[in-house]
Amino acid sequence: AQKITQTQPGMFVQEKEAVTLDCTYDTSDPSYGLFWYKQPSSGEMIFLIYQGSYDQQNATEGRYSLNFQKARKSANLVISASQLGDSAMYFCAMRDGEAGGTSYGKLTFGQGTILTVHP
Amino acid sequence: AAGVIQSPRHLIKEKRETATLKCYPIPRHDTVYWYQQGPGQDPQFLISFYEKMQSDKGSIPDRFSAQQFSDYHSELNMSSLELGDSALYFCASSLESHEQFFGPGTRLTVL
Repeated sequence: AQKITQTQPGMFVQEKEAVTLDCTYDTSDPSYGLFWYKQPSSGEMIFLIYQGSYDQQNATEGRYSLNFQKARKSANLVISASQLGDSAMYFCAMRDGEAGGTSYGKLTFGQGTILTVHP
Repeated sequence: AAGVIQSPRHLIKEKRETATLKCYPIPRHDTVYWYQQGPGQDPQFLISFYEKMQSDKGSIPDRFSAQQFSDYHSELNMSSLELGDSALYFCASSLESHEQFFGPGTRLTVL
């Protein structure tokens, strides 16, 4: 069975600094996808970044990058130059199956990390 | 760009009543997922549809049912509501790709 673990219930960072949110996973499937979502206090789930298990390079999307260490089964999210608007809950999630196949892969989420950005 | 649409955004029901939640996926997306997020919890997968057929099922109570229609919109029907059903219900859609895009959610409160 899949398992996603986020060990940091809460994190604090100063505005303009970088922060790393931890995520480890466990799966027996050789093909999987890893996601990060942001959930502000308003409740919506905002897709941030994706990493496929066979991707050679770490994913990057603007200020977000994913530090993917396959042997350690970790997929940490790095947010550079934090902004006040980054304060939110962040979820790491995993889907069995690689992109390109039939897309009915449900997501399994971690417990989430609340990030607070201080001015 | 068009996003996933969910209606209603907020719903208040009494115990033992019935609720219907609607989801309109992003145009041309072929898969719809439903998730339930209780207060302070992470989202839990309920059920999914691929090309209008049920493709996977999670921890969905027997009191709940769902379907996807010919226009690809989906409905989650919830009967005999219980206090514990109070949650944020998300619909997400995807098209043969890794990205699942979530709707804004329906906040259901059962009194």
